[in-house]
Amino acid sequence: SAVISQKPSRDICQRGTSLTIQCQVDSQVTMMFWYRQQPGQSLTLIATANQGSEATYESGFVIDKFPISRPNLTFSTLTVSNMSPEDSSIYLCSVLGEETQYFGPGTRLLVL
Amino acid sequence: AQKVTQAQTEISVVEKEDVTLDCVYETRDTTYYLFWYKQPPSGELVFLIRRNSFDEQNEISGRYSWNFQKSTSSFNFTITASQVVDSAVYFCALSGPYNTDKLIFGTGTRLQVFP
Repeated sequence: SAVISQKPSRDICQRGTSLTIQCQVDSQVTMMFWYRQQPGQSLTLIATANQGSEATYESGFVIDKFPISRPNLTFSTLTVSNMSPEDSSIYLCSVLGEETQYFGPGTRLLVL
Repeated sequence: AQKVTQAQTEISVVEKEDVTLDCVYETRDTTYYLFWYKQPPSGELVFLIRRNSFDEQNEISGRYSWNFQKSTSSFNFTITASQVVDSAVYFCALSGPYNTDKLIFGTGTRLQVFP
């Protein structure tokens, strides 16, 4: 499976600000995904990011709030814009491997 | 619609006990995949197993075993002789027939194994 890293690993932010989370993979992958895991909850898919095209967002998530970039086959960013305390979550990126999706270590975000 | 139900929110056992985590799913697809992931306190999701809907054979990997029963739409996970390191949240997930289909996760079961 691919080795996936995320930066930052955690952050504490003030409401109204934005945070960009980076996801780096050690091999080229076609599909990358961004998930949100709210405290004590399950994982919810935010969007699918393919290189060379705009991200595809799931119902309830919009590009203005969660802009995503996918400049190449090994890298993606997710920005959480105009944050509120409700955005406090773990944000995870994943990549599509042969068998399944493999996940990064996550970014723990706390919004005050 | 696809749905995964993990009715057990939290389970506590003492080391060396066997424990079974339940997973019930709903789907209209005739071909689908089922998964189990482990999320230790560090937060990273660790892939444990994928099962194709046409393969109902039980799977054993060391202390882990999985029981897939299509008749009851269940894909249960058993840990034999549990250890403290097994303490984690375990997620069951479902996807459609294609590798590119999104994963639908259950709400997870938190397993605490006490020494």
